[in-house]
Amino acid sequence: DIVMTQSPLSLPVTPGEPASISCTSSQSLLHSDGFNYLDWYMQKPGQSPQLLIYLGSNRASGVPDRFSGSGSGTHFTLSISRVEAEDVGVYYCMQALQTPSPNAFGPGTKVDIK
Amino acid sequence: QLVQSGAEVKKPGESLKISCKGSGHNFVTYWIGWVRQMPGKGLEWVGIIYPGDSDTRYSPSFQGQVTISADKSINTAYMQWSSLKASDTAMYYCAVGYCSSTSCSKFDYWGQGTLVTVSS
Repeated sequence: DIVMTQSPLSLPVTPGEPASISCTSSQSLLHSDGFNYLDWYMQKPGQSPQLLIYLGSNRASGVPDRFSGSGSGTHFTLSISRVEAEDVGVYYCMQALQTPSPNAFGPGTKVDIK
Repeated sequence: QLVQSGAEVKKPGESLKISCKGSGHNFVTYWIGWVRQMPGKGLEWVGIIYPGDSDTRYSPSFQGQVTISADKSINTAYMQWSSLKASDTAMYYCAVGYCSSTSCSKFDYWGQGTLVTVSS
């Protein structure tokens, strides 16, 4: 099974400042089709998860352009160019190469305002 | 949009079937996944189903513990338990995604969640 790790697990942020979350997989997520099978989801308090980024770097429909995804193989990063108060929540990376799989989601990074 | 059935309170050993109804999608062309979130914890895959032909895959942890099904004629997916345990207490989400072979990505629509509480 592919195991996902994230860092940091807690991220206090200042509105207007940039922020980033790292995600590492135990195996390469680069598929033979050339895509990295890594998604990013965000769960606001009391809400369902929502898709931010799919296949490593593709922003989902309606997601503000301050969110971006990068990386390849086993190391990935979610970046927020300028954090806003509404970005508070838990961010999960998810390996999409083997679905469904135990531990497909990372442990989550809790983002809150300093 | 995905609309899930309402919260349930059950006793250990009872059976349960929860639902996830899609609208605005061509239901048979997407995969529907079920995700568990235990209280205060992260997200875990339970399994996924392709309503077009009912191809179903389970996460090993849930194989034999739940049954996932779908009725494409009414755009609805289901997850059921034959004998609930207290450890099944969790929020369960359904989500629409895209799969090829063993890879599934872009779960871009999620239901509101169904809270299942199992307590004697």
